[in-house]
Amino acid sequence: DIQLTQSPSFLSASVGDRVTITCRASQAISSYLAWYQQKPGKAPKLLIYAASTLQSGVPSRFSGSGSGTEFTLTISTLQPEDFATYYCQQVNSYPLTFGPGTKVDIK
Amino acid sequence: QVQLVESGGGVVQPGGSLRLSCAASGFAFSSYNMHWVRQSPGRGLEWVAFILFDGSHEKYADSVKGRFTVSRDNSRNTLYLQMNSLRAEDTAMYYCAKTHDYGDHSDYWGQGTLVTVCS
Repeated sequence: DIQLTQSPSFLSASVGDRVTITCRASQAISSYLAWYQQKPGKAPKLLIYAASTLQSGVPSRFSGSGSGTEFTLTISTLQPEDFATYYCQQVNSYPLTFGPGTKVDIK
Repeated sequence: QVQLVESGGGVVQPGGSLRLSCAASGFAFSSYNMHWVRQSPGRGLEWVAFILFDGSHEKYADSVKGRFTVSRDNSRNTLYLQMNSLRAEDTAMYYCAKTHDYGDHSDYWGQGTLVTVCS
């Protein structure tokens, strides 16, 4: 199974900050990576797929990059509504796996 | 608009069974592969099961293989998850999710249904 790790696990930031979250895969997954945002009590929301493609309707302050084993999610200018937990997911092979999550909290 | 509405969750004793349903609307259900994903309280996301658009193929996480069965009724636009031999560690919010046009990631999720396994 492909294992995903995320760093940091927890991030404290202020509105207006630039935030970067890293996801590493235990083996190469090409660009078969998605990023999700989840707020408490809600279902996950797709932000990015194919490592760098912005899902329709997602603000352009979100961007993704990477391929192979190392990927990043960047929020260029953090907004109040962006405080949430972010998960990466590999869809290269089954079983599909998620990273453990990165919680972005208000500083 | 796309809607996925799960139902069927509840409290069940260890060893018991439950069947979850996911009613889909707003898209061509019979054309899309579907997933079940779960999230234990305060924990991360775990993929559970996948079913091909026509129901001809399924995949399962090792943690549920042999105990859970995913199925679908395309005439009713409904996805199911039959869960048998339930264990305490199956306690979670269960989400159904639609696959994207361009891959097996999920672009739409239901609101979830809570399954609690306890004696």
